Amino acid sequence: GDSVTQMEGPVTLSEEAFLTINCTYTATGYPSLFWYVQYPGEGLQLLLKATKADDKGSNKGFEATYRKETTSFHLEKGSVQVSDSAVYFCALSVGTGRRALTFGSGTRLQVQP
Amino acid sequence: NAGVTQTPKFRVLKTGQSMTLLCAQDMNHEYMYWYRQDPGMGLRLIHYSVGEGTTAKGEVPDGYNVSRLKKQNFLLGLESAAPSQTSVYFCASSSRGALGANEQFFGPGTRLTVL
Repeated sequence: GDSVTQMEGPVTLSEEAFLTINCTYTATGYPSLFWYVQYPGEGLQLLLKATKADDKGSNKGFEATYRKETTSFHLEKGSVQVSDSAVYFCALSVGTGRRALTFGSGTRLQVQP
Repeated sequence: NAGVTQTPKFRVLKTGQSMTLLCAQDMNHEYMYWYRQDPGMGLRLIHYSVGEGTTAKGEVPDGYNVSRLKKQNFLLGLESAAPSQTSVYFCASSSRGALGANEQFFGPGTRLTVL
């Protein structure tokens, strides 16, 4: 079946540090890939997505590139801020039938001033 | 435009009690989903619906039932609550569009504790 593996947290960084959160996947079809962010006490919000190989999704300074050859979709940001502190979820969706998301376990990011 | 709303936000039940969680969306979305979120496990799909009057099981459906009598509403029921159902429940919706590429919009969640 489909699955998503992402690095365990928490990840603790100082403000303006470089961020990488690793995400790899297995899928039976050709998935679309997503990063969702969950701020404390809130629901999930889409951060970025990519629908085909070599696509780069980007939003709010975050980027991730769909790498089919390594089945990866790593999240990066060049300079994190305290306001980026949240839980980040990598997810995939195979575009048939129910189109539900398969999530990774989430990575908590803590950014210190 | 409220997006996806969920009621209630919090609930405490005793083992064996029943309850219904309500999800409502005002975006005219065809697809609706119920997930549960447990520590260290991400979100897991309970049930889903691809349109009004249709429902189907996800990965963890046992102990839950759902109904979608109106396109904008998706109800999740617990007939006899168990401590293992203590979790945060999220509803989500998405439109019918390009396969697999559609964004899912999430509600704020319902925190349920079963004693």
